[in-house]
Amino acid sequence: HLQLQESGPGLVKPSETLSLTCTVSGGSIRGSDYYWGWIRQPPGKGLEWIGSLYHGGIAYYNPSLKSRVTVSIDTSKNQFSLNLSSLSAADTAVYYCARDYAAALDYWGQGTLVTVSS
Amino acid sequence: SYELTQPPSVSVSPGQTARITCSGDALPKQYGYWYQQKPGQAPVLVIYKDSERPSGIPERFSGSSSGTTVTLTISDVQAEDEADYYCQSADISGTYVFGSGTKVTVL
Repeated sequence: HLQLQESGPGLVKPSETLSLTCTVSGGSIRGSDYYWGWIRQPPGKGLEWIGSLYHGGIAYYNPSLKSRVTVSIDTSKNQFSLNLSSLSAADTAVYYCARDYAAALDYWGQGTLVTVSS
Repeated sequence: SYELTQPPSVSVSPGQTARITCSGDALPKQYGYWYQQKPGQAPVLVIYKDSERPSGIPERFSGSSSGTTVTLTISDVQAEDEADYYCQSADISGTYVFGSGTKVTVL
């Protein structure tokens, strides 16, 4: 049974860079059919896709965030990561990681709340 | 930027049928996906590739596509179906977009 778990700081300061990690258990991150994605949800608002990447290094990003986002993958640890730079209060959200199977986000982590505040 | 349009809310009585639409210009060429999200929980995929249902999702959830609109239908609505529902698709460049969400209220 595949499980994903986000980890990272719950509070970050404006202008700093957010780093989150998603640990995958119950399956390999090297599966040939899968991408691995990040999605966020500001409090009380809808879902926003951030980006998805393949273990071979191919990545796709939301154009509105592309200049501030980097995603990476560590197959040795069965983990993938998100870096989001130049944070502002508008980046306060619950951040989810998910398995991306041909655009279907079929397994999700429980989400982690990140607050941007000084 | 590409947008998917959903109604903000749908109300339905138990045992009746709820239909939620999602409109977008790229939908004739891109699949639609549907997620259910209950308060405080992560979203759950309920329909993929317009009309396919993942294992474990009740048969009362179905999806369809016609032109620029995809539709999620919930038949014989149960109290437990009260949730927010989001559609998702891709634009012509392959990047993903979500609809703004529809709150389903079971009366």
